Amino acid sequence: NAGVTQTPKFRILKIGQSMTLQCAQDMNHNYMYWYRQDPGMGLKLIYYSVGAGITDKGEVPNGYNVSRSTTEDFPLRLELAAPSQTSVYFCASSFSGTGNTGELFFGEGSRLTVL
Amino acid sequence: GQQLNQSPQSMFIQEGEDVSMNCTSSSIFNTWLWYKQDPGEGPVLLIALYKAGELTSNGRLTAQFGITRKDSFLNISASIPSDVGIYFCAGDAGGTSYGKLTFGQGTILTVHP
Repeated sequence: NAGVTQTPKFRILKIGQSMTLQCAQDMNHNYMYWYRQDPGMGLKLIYYSVGAGITDKGEVPNGYNVSRSTTEDFPLRLELAAPSQTSVYFCASSFSGTGNTGELFFGEGSRLTVL
Repeated sequence: GQQLNQSPQSMFIQEGEDVSMNCTSSSIFNTWLWYKQDPGEGPVLLIALYKAGELTSNGRLTAQFGITRKDSFLNISASIPSDVGIYFCAGDAGGTSYGKLTFGQGTILTVHP
């Protein structure tokens, strides 16, 4: 059971570089999310998607872009990396955003450092 | 945006002790959830609460959904070393916010053998 797979696990970027964090899930989940985790701050929602072709901004979307061309994949793109984007990024998925579920399945995280 | 205040920020306890942590919000949530994060891993769901006043157990864990729908607590009884990790509360406001969770800042739990 792969669940939610994130790549890469670690990356160091220079200021101004761009990169894409990959996320794939094999559970046929409709909903997918990107969160960032900063020390002592909990997890903040960057972007989310309720299905292929549909994306929407979360709480902290500035500096990021996403796409959802398939149900399985939800990549997160950083166009011009800044030190403020140094963080641990988590991709998550859930079967549905409605009803009595609420359970998000998280990947193992991608630790990004921008120098 | 909505914010959850989770306390305490950290706890250092002896193995066998009971632990209690809580979460409060200035706004109402329709669902409260408690997640645990082990080092180097993503959070994993421990308990989900769907009704105000609901009390739910999962082994040594017990959580309650506050009657006002603005708070929740998590208790861990007879702690063991593998309880070490970061515990997060999370709330789902429902409506147009369905599926988008607001997380607390986390409680770092250390258990001394």
